[in-house]
Order: sequence, then C-alpha cells, then structure tokens
Amino acid sequence: GAGVSQSPSNKVTEKGKDVELRCDPISGHTALYWYRQSLGQGLEFLIYFQGNSAPDKSGLPSDRFSAERTGGSVSTLTIQRTQQEDSAVYLCASSFTSGGYEQFFGPGTRLTVL
Amino acid sequence: QQQVKQSPQSLIVQKGGISIINCAYENTAFDYFPWYQQFPGKGPALLIAIRPDVSEKKEGRFTISFNKSAKQFSLHIMDSQPGDSATYFCAAISGSARQLTFGSGTQLTVLP
Repeated sequence: GAGVSQSPSNKVTEKGKDVELRCDPISGHTALYWYRQSLGQGLEFLIYFQGNSAPDKSGLPSDRFSAERTGGSVSTLTIQRTQQEDSAVYLCASSFTSGGYEQFFGPGTRLTVL
Repeated sequence: QQQVKQSPQSLIVQKGGISIINCAYENTAFDYFPWYQQFPGKGPALLIAIRPDVSEKKEGRFTISFNKSAKQFSLHIMDSQPGDSATYFCAAISGSARQLTFGSGTQLTVLP
C-alpha cells in the first residue's frame, strides 16, 4: 500500500513568512509524529498525535510552531514568522497503534528560510 | 541531554566485509530499539528492531546484538554491499513517551 506522503517536497521561503507543511499518514494508522532533521541537531521529535489530539507537544521549539490533525488522518505543521534556524528537513511518521513502536517515515519536506 | 549515543560517526568497509555500528543508552525506560536506514533525499526506513528481553535478532544480513546490563546495542551488517551505503540511525522508544530518541547517525560507505 501507499506509504506516508508529505508535501511540498521542497519549500523556500523568506524570513518572517508563514509556512504550512502537510503529511498524509498510512491509511489506518492512528498515531502520527513530526520530527525535524538538521545538521546541527540531528533527528529530533516535535509533536505526536493520537487521533486528532496531541498528547505530547514537548518537542515544539517555540510558540511559532503549531500542528493540527483532522479526521484522524492528514496533519499540517505550521511555522509562523519563519527564522533562518528553522531551515531543516521536516519528517512525518505514522504508526498503526498508539504504542508507536513501528514508525514509518515519509520522504520529508526540505524547508529553506532565506 | 543526549540519551542515545552512537558511534562511529562514519565507517568505510570493503565489499563483503562486516559493518558494525554501536549505540549506548541511558534511559532504562526504553523498551524498543529500532535501527533506521536513510538514503540521501529520503526519509528514514525501518530496518530491524529489538526488544530488551532478547539478546540478538537476525534478519537476513542484518543482526542486532543487545546487552541490557551494559545498556548497549549494536547493528552488524554481514557481507556488506555497495548498496548498503547509507546513513544508519539507532533509536529508542519507551511506551509511555511514544517519541523516538535517535542516535546521531553513522554514515556507512561500502567500497566496491
């Protein structure tokens, strides 16, 4: 079946602009995760959804970052007033159960903030 | 605080050789240890995983060895092939936390 898909694959924006990144999880997967991959920080957790609720937002780096999930499926990560340090690859993963033991990743969105 | 330490940062192996990547963890609440393989421009792909009640798990050419008392685990790639050239990440998760904690990654190059 289809894997996790993310769009856009690449996004270039100017400092101060808002961006929205989209994730379509694997069909039937109830849990969804956002991670960020950057040269300096490696792979780091941002937020976790179980259904439409986010019980763990502990990894969001600032209040400029927010995420939502609708219909237990698609999720959107929004970054407001982007800064150059937000440049990274944003990865989405999904898992069949809330235990999250097998997380399957999408290809990521490469965000470049000029 | 880095909870999963991975070494080496880079590794060069001849075709047919054995590649070994090591990880150590601190949090004893971790109860699942996956390895991910990542090619340039792609997302990480789940390769193999182990739970702490097992000391070894083998899938094809890939083997995880796990030492619970030492809080260490390692990935062995037997008969390494040029197609195995990628970045490998160890990770750990606890059921309560749900989030994967990743090691810093190992860039493996297998020479033909």
